[in-house]
Amino acid sequence: GAVVSQHPSRVICKSGTSVKIECRSLDFQATTMFWYRQFPKQSLMLMATSNEGSKATYEQGVEKDKFLINHASLTLSTLTVTSAHPEDSSFYICSARARTDSNQPQHFGDGTRLSIL
Amino acid sequence: GNSVTQMEGPVTLSEEAFLTINCTYTATGYPSLFWYVQYPGEGLQLLLKATKADDKGSNKGFEATYRKETTSFHLEKGSVQVSDSAVYFCALSDLGYGKLTFGQGTILTVHP
Repeated sequence: GAVVSQHPSRVICKSGTSVKIECRSLDFQATTMFWYRQFPKQSLMLMATSNEGSKATYEQGVEKDKFLINHASLTLSTLTVTSAHPEDSSFYICSARARTDSNQPQHFGDGTRLSIL
Repeated sequence: GNSVTQMEGPVTLSEEAFLTINCTYTATGYPSLFWYVQYPGEGLQLLLKATKADDKGSNKGFEATYRKETTSFHLEKGSVQVSDSAVYFCALSDLGYGKLTFGQGTILTVHP
């Protein structure tokens, strides 16, 4: 089945550091990728949607300068948390979809646990 | 805006017990409804879906029926197994598999 690889699975770093998270579709071309954030015991919240070749669409309340998203190719999207602070600590999950029509499901990565000290 | 409300957990059951996890939603129009499952240490997997009223999604013994009149999509399984222990998420999308709105997730633990 379709596989989405997310890397790293866990990262711990100091406040002020920028952190890059990669999301790769391993066996299909992902025209659309989604980035979610999950707080402890809470739901997944969509942060942004990116389509290959165009800028990401951010959800209301998500700082685009803080969370930089680059859909570099049909198999790779990156989320960079710039100048991370402890409040950015969270679980980040990506998903990828093969086509822009509505009949292809999203395939999820295993998530990245980000801890800012 | 869209929202999904799930039964709060955690839910703890003995093997072979009957499972119900309630899910209700608020949405404009006619959304598609989904149940996703997240096993320990893994990503989310699509468990089942329904795209229109009265549709029944089913997979691996789990079922859920799209009830427009009650805006619900409750997940059921007649006899749970230890291997069903996971976090279950109810979700909706206005457009097929587009942007998903998730419920808060329900942790299920099944004991032998």
